[in-house]
Amino acid sequence: NAGVMQNPRHLVRRRGQEARLRCSPMKGHSHVYWYRQLPEEGLKFMVYLQKENIIDESGMPKERFSAEFPKEGPSILRIQQVVRGDSAAYFCASSPTGRELFFGEGSRLTVL
Amino acid sequence: GIQVEQSPPDLILQEGANSTLRCNFSDSVNNLQWFHQNPWGQLINLFYIPSGTKQNGRLSATTVATERYSLLYISSSQTTDSGVYFCAVEGNYGGATNKLIFGTGTLLAVQP
Repeated sequence: NAGVMQNPRHLVRRRGQEARLRCSPMKGHSHVYWYRQLPEEGLKFMVYLQKENIIDESGMPKERFSAEFPKEGPSILRIQQVVRGDSAAYFCASSPTGRELFFGEGSRLTVL
Repeated sequence: GIQVEQSPPDLILQEGANSTLRCNFSDSVNNLQWFHQNPWGQLINLFYIPSGTKQNGRLSATTVATERYSLLYISSSQTTDSGVYFCAVEGNYGGATNKLIFGTGTLLAVQP
């Protein structure tokens, strides 16, 4: 059973460009979460999704950030018009029950 | 919101030594997990342990929910145990969205 798959592992963008991060949950997992780890900080919750539904997005910045988990395909975290402060590691996690989380290897975004 | 404190903040061990990491939380929880972030940045699920005791090889964990703390024991440490150990909790506010609040972590370095 493959783990949570995230891609790209590393992404470099210039200020003002868009970043798209993808996450395929573990097989059989219907709960998907995105967390962000800023440099020298712990992990912070961003959003919780189930298929075609955003359950809790209270940790998402109000502007430029969006997330989706379509009926088919991976979950996508989209950051528009990136700024240097968006440089961070973005982790996706999935869960079969909404309780125990399993994390992917993360996507490291660098904004030049 | 719920506060999560981990101690010690950092720890240096000689290979073969044992250690105990502590996680204190400020309110009742319905979810507690321990994670290991290795030097390559990967987040590995160690234990889902909102209460009770679990063991997995050289690692074990105990959560005393009524006293609001959890302990992670590492026995016969190896250099591959190096990294940051995070405790993460979800407050018991009704429902379960798995909005985990992460502690600041314990940085462990195991020297050969």
